[in-house]
Amino acid sequence: EAGVAQSPRYKIIEKRQSVAFWCNPISGHATLYWYQQILGQGPKLLIQFQNNGVVDDSQLPKDRFSAERLKGVDSTLKIQPAKLEDSAVYLCASSSPTRGLEAFFGQGTRLTVV
Amino acid sequence: GENVEQHPSTLSVQEGDSAVIKCTYSDSASNYFPWYKQELGKGPQLIIDIRSNVGEKKDQRIAVTLNKTAKHFSLHITETQPEDSAVYFCAASKIQGGKLIFGQGTELSVKP
Repeated sequence: EAGVAQSPRYKIIEKRQSVAFWCNPISGHATLYWYQQILGQGPKLLIQFQNNGVVDDSQLPKDRFSAERLKGVDSTLKIQPAKLEDSAVYLCASSSPTRGLEAFFGQGTRLTVV
Repeated sequence: GENVEQHPSTLSVQEGDSAVIKCTYSDSASNYFPWYKQELGKGPQLIIDIRSNVGEKKDQRIAVTLNKTAKHFSLHITETQPEDSAVYFCAASKIQGGKLIFGQGTELSVKP
């Protein structure tokens, strides 16, 4: 079974530029999460989707971050405009209530804002 | 709000020794407690989890204990090996919600 796929692996941008990350969850997983992991900290949830509907986006800075999950499969996370403090690893995870409680994580996208 | 505290932040042990990492959580409604291992440049990988109706769970060299009254849970690794070196995260969630609240992480170093 293929894991959670994310791209790109690395991205360096200047502040005020925009950037987008892509995630392809494990096939059949209805729940998709985007987490932000700042260096030296645990991951923090940005947004959770159930199929293509948003379950929780309470921690998403909506003035600059947006996310969508069209057709309930792939998802994109966008930052516009980026700030220095957005430098972090952005992790995508997926899970399925019918297949246990485990959330499977992708390798992440490391974003550096300069 | 929801919070998970994890200690210690770094832990160094000799190969063959045991390692213990402790976490406390604030939300009494939490009922699912996974532990993740994160190696450099990789995403977190689940190593063991426990639900609130169980006090202890073992899987070979790894065990997790849960004290719901005190809102504490711990990870125990016995007979540590150099390949156990990584950052370990505890987390808590309410099963229905699925959102994971992570601790700050423990960097475990196992010296040969």
